Amino acid sequence: GAVVSQHPSWVICKSGTSVKIECRSLDFQATTMFWYRQFPKQSLMLMATSNEGSKATYEQGVEKDKFLINHASLTLSTLTVTSAHPEDSSFYICSARGDRGRDGYTFGSGTRLTVV
Amino acid sequence: QKEVEQDPGPLSVPEGAIVSLNCTYSNSAFQYFMWYRQYSRKGPELLMYTYSSGNKEDGRFTAQVDKSSKYISLFIRDSQPSDSATYLCAMYPGGYNKLIFGAGTRLAVHP
Repeated sequence: GAVVSQHPSWVICKSGTSVKIECRSLDFQATTMFWYRQFPKQSLMLMATSNEGSKATYEQGVEKDKFLINHASLTLSTLTVTSAHPEDSSFYICSARGDRGRDGYTFGSGTRLTVV
Repeated sequence: QKEVEQDPGPLSVPEGAIVSLNCTYSNSAFQYFMWYRQYSRKGPELLMYTYSSGNKEDGRFTAQVDKSSKYISLFIRDSQPSDSATYLCAMYPGGYNKLIFGAGTRLAVHP
């Protein structure tokens, strides 16, 4: 089945630094990738949608300059949290959508970001 | 009103019980319905994927869709402690549209 690899699984960074999270589709081409944020005991909150070679579409209230998304190839998307602050600490999850019908919307394993 | 409503629980059941998880939705454009299982600090894992109204069975799991009532269910038979997780319903109208998630139901199956 479809596999999405997300790295790192957890990261601790100092306030003011930037952190990059990678999301790779291993055995299919991801036409569209989605980035989510999840707070404890809450559902997934969509941050942005990216299509390969295009600018990401951000959900209302998500800061484009803080959460930079790059979808340079059909198998790789990255989320960079710039100038991170403690309030950016959260669980970030990517999802890749290919053109394989039911195999669409495969999720990565998530990245736990802690900003200190 | 949220597009997808799901009781967040928590739901606690004894091992071996039949578990029923439900979601209602308001958008009649939704055509594809999914159930995901999410363990703590992990990404969601697809359990069931359905398109039409009716039942779909996979092992101990049965997904049910009633489009006329805008209601979907997931049944877990012979529940096991390893089923303890959060279950998320999700749906979308088709194409490359974003998934709309329910709030997730936390399930605990105790021995």
